[in-house]
Order: sequence, then C-alpha cells, then structure tokens
Amino acid sequence: RKEVEQDPGPFNVPEGATVAFNCTYSNSASQSFFWYRQDCRKEPKLLMSVYSSGNEDGRFTAQLNRASQYISLLIRDSKLSDSATYLCVVNSFTGFQKLVFGTGTRLLVSP
Amino acid sequence: NAGVTQTPKFQVLKTGQSMTLQCAQDMNHNSMYWYRQDPGMGLRLIYYSASEGTTDKGEVPNGYNVSRLNKREFSLRLESAAPSQTSVYFCASSVQGSHNNNQPQHFGDGTRLSIL
Repeated sequence: RKEVEQDPGPFNVPEGATVAFNCTYSNSASQSFFWYRQDCRKEPKLLMSVYSSGNEDGRFTAQLNRASQYISLLIRDSKLSDSATYLCVVNSFTGFQKLVFGTGTRLLVSP
Repeated sequence: NAGVTQTPKFQVLKTGQSMTLQCAQDMNHNSMYWYRQDPGMGLRLIYYSASEGTTDKGEVPNGYNVSRLNKREFSLRLESAAPSQTSVYFCASSVQGSHNNNQPQHFGDGTRLSIL
C-alpha cells in the first residue's frame, strides 16, 4: 500500500464548478500536511498547508481528518488556470521535514 | 529572485557515463533535497541534507551520491548511469528546524535526464 494515495483522475469540470479531491495516508504518526500544485512539465509549488481545524485560502479549502487519515481539497468557482495536477503531501517525521508525495490528481477545467 | 536553480535543464547520457546535477539556492535555507519523478510514481526522495555538512539517504539512494558543498549548493552525482535512472530530477530547499515542519519546500524547475 502506498503511504499517500490519491485518485489520479483526470477530473474534467466546466468553469465555475466546484470540485473536491481526497487523499488518504497510512502513517498515523504523520505530523504535517500540504497540497502542492504542479503544472505540466513544471516544478511542484506549495498551494496550501493543511491545518487540523481546516483552512481556507480564497477559493481553496483544505480539511484534515486525523481519525480517518484523509485530507481533502475543495476548489470553488473553478478557473481555466486551475488546470493542473494537485499533489497531496505528508510529512511523516517529527523534528525534520521529509515529505512523502502522492502521485497527484489531475484537474482539467474547460470553458 | 532566483530561488532554487538547477543545471542542466536537459541531458542525454549513454549507459555507463557519469554526470553531476548541480543545485544552488539563494534563500539561506538550511535543508536541501533531491527527488526524482517518474510517471505513476510521484516524487521520491533520493538524498537530503538537513544542514551544511550532513547528508542522508532517502527512499531511493542506490546509484547516486551527493555532496553538500556549502550552505547554498547540493549536487547529485550519477557515477555509472543506467536506463532506469531516466527521470525528471528536482532539487528543493526549505527552512528547517524542530519547529518548522510546516514550512514549504521550494523546488527548482527540474532536470530532464535520459539514459540511452
């Protein structure tokens, strides 16, 4: 079983739609959680950290459920520019940041 | 503001050749990392350097060596390239400390390496 699992997609949605991605992780000792965005043939970039109480950044909302060991990302009012691969990332070590990346969920937003 | 700079951006090697991938960051970060990304596999950690003067193996270190030349630079060496090492390689850096686990990693724009 992979340490971080995501549905690879692609998720095809029209502009303006709301879309949600989920991610599960296997290590219950995981300490911190992130969503990164990766455009085609580009480097990953941090989209947002995920906090225990949930957090929002504009159109993006991240949630963490430690009991069920899953993380979610909700994108409201999708834009064409949101088309990318979204990587769920988990830091499973205390005291030092060693990240484990999911394989990513691809989102395609169409006009 | 350069951030993390990787060189070269593209390289084609023959099996058995050696080469060094260079990485430099100008953000005064303590920690640096090398990853490879393959289709369907996600990013996998090859080696990391928690601080200047230290290096440690990640998930897939076989066939690679690293050098943390100074705080800015962290190089990855393939001593005898194999076709299985065909991949996209990313270098990253982060602020690191026992209380900084939520700090992001900043990535270079990658090196696309093909081994024939």
